[in-house]
Amino acid sequence: AQKVTQAQTEISVVEKEDVTLDCVYETRDTTYYLFWYKQPPSGELVFLIRRNSFDEQNEISGRYSWNFQKSTSSFNFTITASQVVDSAVYFCALTPFYSGYSTLTFGKGTMLLVSP
Amino acid sequence: NAGVTQTPKFRILKIGQSMTLQCTQDMNHNYMYWYRQDPGMGLKLIYYSVGAGITDKGEVPNGYNVSRSTTEDFPLRLELAAPSQTSVYFCASSYPPDRGSFYGYTFGSGTRLTVV
Repeated sequence: AQKVTQAQTEISVVEKEDVTLDCVYETRDTTYYLFWYKQPPSGELVFLIRRNSFDEQNEISGRYSWNFQKSTSSFNFTITASQVVDSAVYFCALTPFYSGYSTLTFGKGTMLLVSP
Repeated sequence: NAGVTQTPKFRILKIGQSMTLQCTQDMNHNYMYWYRQDPGMGLKLIYYSVGAGITDKGEVPNGYNVSRSTTEDFPLRLELAAPSQTSVYFCASSYPPDRGSFYGYTFGSGTRLTVV
């Protein structure tokens, strides 16, 4: 069985602050994919990043960065200089790296509120 | 535009009524999924399919049925709607995660269902 835990239910910051969203996962699989999705108030799910388990290199994309640490089973997401448009619910998710029963398991999400 | 199309976007059902949520994808993905999203609970898997004619239960299948007669379509049937089925439903599709063509999951825009 696999599990994704996002312990932060809601985070409130003021614009331009940096914020880190935590994600801890459990899986018995040795190879897997990790994802982050953004769900803005409009409701759609927006893909942010995919990381496979054999690539622990951290990644930066503009104001977004991701810190993957296999030793602690964590895949944290940092937004630098947050903006009001970053306000959304963010989901971390996990899927095994094999066919057959391969489905995406989501955390419960972290709601980020960025105020002006 | 290529992607996953869900209809309807909104629906109000009375208790005991039935309905079918439609989902179609034009990316020739083998795998298709139905998730439901309840407030603060993340997304939970209802049913999934790894190909035409093959379906299997996810985490919360009770009260739902699916079929997969074609690669493109994966309808979700609600029989005898209950207030507990009030939720937002997302359909998704992907290639198998162990294929080189796998890049992640494509989600539809969701169906907001209210059972009164």
